[in-house]
Amino acid sequence: AQSVTQLGSHVSVSEGALVLLRCNYSSSVPPYLFWYVQYPNQGLQLLLKYTSAATLVKGINGFEAEFKKSETSFHLTKPSAHMSDAAEYFCAVSRPNSGNTPLVFGKGTRLSVIA
Amino acid sequence: ETGVTQTPRHLVMGMTNKKSLKCEQHLGHNAMYWYKQSAKKPLELMFVYNFKEQTENNSVPSRFSPECPNSSHLFLHLHTLQPEDSALYLCASSQDLINYGYTFGSGTRLTVV
Repeated sequence: AQSVTQLGSHVSVSEGALVLLRCNYSSSVPPYLFWYVQYPNQGLQLLLKYTSAATLVKGINGFEAEFKKSETSFHLTKPSAHMSDAAEYFCAVSRPNSGNTPLVFGKGTRLSVIA
Repeated sequence: ETGVTQTPRHLVMGMTNKKSLKCEQHLGHNAMYWYKQSAKKPLELMFVYNFKEQTENNSVPSRFSPECPNSSHLFLHLHTLQPEDSALYLCASSQDLINYGYTFGSGTRLTVV
């Protein structure tokens, strides 16, 4: 069974600083991996996804993530944090070639950006 | 507008009430999902429908009853809920998980009193 672990339920960074949100996965086969963002009182929005093509994936709003098989990681980064990045971020995993098999989500990491 | 519309946005109900949550998508997706989001807990998958057929019921109590009359609409019927059922209920849809992932609605904030 697939699972993801997000290290740190809350991360706080200064505006303009590097954002690093950690996600480690567990999967018996090479997985598909996703990052979602949730703003207050809204649903989840897809930031980026890894589906076995390039290991460095670029997403919306300047975010990117790198798939590292040796470390079973898919950490989310952004070079310079903006106030509007404050939100909850979720990592999710799925099994390839499984049709619409549901995603499994991590517990989420709340990102705070300090002016 | 996310393409997936959930109504109502907020709902307060007593433990003896019966209410329904509605989810609607006109994205042409064939799969629809109900998730429960509680504070400090991971997103919990409740139900999955693929081409109107229920393909997964994640051990959800019978006081939650889903209905999928067509590929565009999904309902969650609620009756005799408990206070611990208070949460944000999210609906999502997908056509091709690989290329598009899920599209989520904004959720219904449910409070059981």
